[in-house]
Amino acid sequence: SQELEQSPQSLIVQEGKNLTINCTSSKTLYGLYWYKQKYGEGLIFLMMLQKGGEEKSHEKITAKLDEKKQQSSLHITASQPSHAGIYLCGADGTGTASKLTFGTGTRLQVTL
Amino acid sequence: GAVVSQHPSRVICKSGTSVKIECRSLDFQATTMFWYRQFPKQSLMLMATSNEGSKATYEQGVEKDKFLINHASLTLSTLTVTSAHPEDSSFYICSARDPPGSGGTGELFFGEGSRLTVL
Repeated sequence: SQELEQSPQSLIVQEGKNLTINCTSSKTLYGLYWYKQKYGEGLIFLMMLQKGGEEKSHEKITAKLDEKKQQSSLHITASQPSHAGIYLCGADGTGTASKLTFGTGTRLQVTL
Repeated sequence: GAVVSQHPSRVICKSGTSVKIECRSLDFQATTMFWYRQFPKQSLMLMATSNEGSKATYEQGVEKDKFLINHASLTLSTLTVTSAHPEDSSFYICSARDPPGSGGTGELFFGEGSRLTVL
């Protein structure tokens, strides 16, 4: 079965600083989804990557999928308190773009 | 745009009772929906795949008799936690994909989640 490991597990950064979260898969990915979650709430879709080497950006968040399609990184530039939350990567390991295996999650805190 | 809605968002029940959670696709038909469970400070774990008109497919370790799934229509899947106990307290989230073709976007949508607390 596919396993996803995220690092770091938790992160505290000062407002304005940059940060990177990594997601490593035990198998080749058909697709990799990034979500943000506030505790006890639903998932907020951030980005989806499918092609090796693909990079997408939305506002101050950039996500990349490496060429071998087994690792993805999420980079936040000039972090803000609104970026705080739990970041989850989800892997499509079957090519159906429906059933996902989720990573262990990264809890981000942004201090003033 | 297409949306997946869950109800209730929060439910508190007494130990031994059964609780039903609904997952609806509002703008599209979903032959397949997925149920996830999330324990505090942990990630989402896939529990089962809900199949319209047929039996659900459960992941290893998930009790079929404890978590009853019914997908009676193309827009509704229900998860019933039977004889709930405190250890069943968790955050349950469903998802569905707006199937590509016939105007579908192919996008994957998640519900808002349902927090179950069993006293």
